[in-house]
Amino acid sequence: EDKVVQSPLSLVVHEGDTVTLNCSYEVTNFRSLLWYKQEKKAPTFLFMLTSSGIEKKSGRLSSILDKKELFSILNITATQTGDSAVYLCAVSSGGGADGLTFGKGTHLIIQP
Amino acid sequence: DAGVIQSPRHEVTEMGQEVTLRCKPISGHDYLFWYRQTMMRGLELLIYFNNNVPIDDSGMPEDRFSAKMPNASFSTLKIQPSEPRDSAVYFCASSLTREQYFGPGTRLTVT
Repeated sequence: EDKVVQSPLSLVVHEGDTVTLNCSYEVTNFRSLLWYKQEKKAPTFLFMLTSSGIEKKSGRLSSILDKKELFSILNITATQTGDSAVYLCAVSSGGGADGLTFGKGTHLIIQP
Repeated sequence: DAGVIQSPRHEVTEMGQEVTLRCKPISGHDYLFWYRQTMMRGLELLIYFNNNVPIDDSGMPEDRFSAKMPNASFSTLKIQPSEPRDSAVYFCASSLTREQYFGPGTRLTVT
């Protein structure tokens, strides 16, 4: 059975801090790893990673994948209160746009 | 594009009643997914379709759950009879590639 584990489960930091969220996985036929941000509504897509060592970047957010060690990290620099959310990691295995296996998420709270 | 549309947004029903959740995917997307989210179990895949055909329903918890996709622009998830443990947020998502776009969800409460 595919498994995705995120850590920490929750994190409280102050505005301006840098945070690192972790995601490890055990899946058969790994295809890609995806990060989503969920506020009080639907998850919204952040990144999709398929290759090791290539950093994806979007503004203050960045992510990298290590397929040898089976993990990914999501970094957020200069955090803002609007970054407060649950960050979900998911993996895709098998062919095509198949269903995702999600981790439980990291609940990030940014205090002003 | 309006994105993925789900209805109703909230549903409160009594145990034993039939519940039908509806989803309209993004036009042109050929994959449609149904997920359930609870505090205890997180987001779980229930079933997904490709070109209106069910591909994997192994996540459907039991025979009380059924899903259909009669055409490319509409899908339903039905629970009959509903039970209190079915209370959750049900998300529909659609995709063309591996990047899935989620609808706003239906919050189901079964009393």
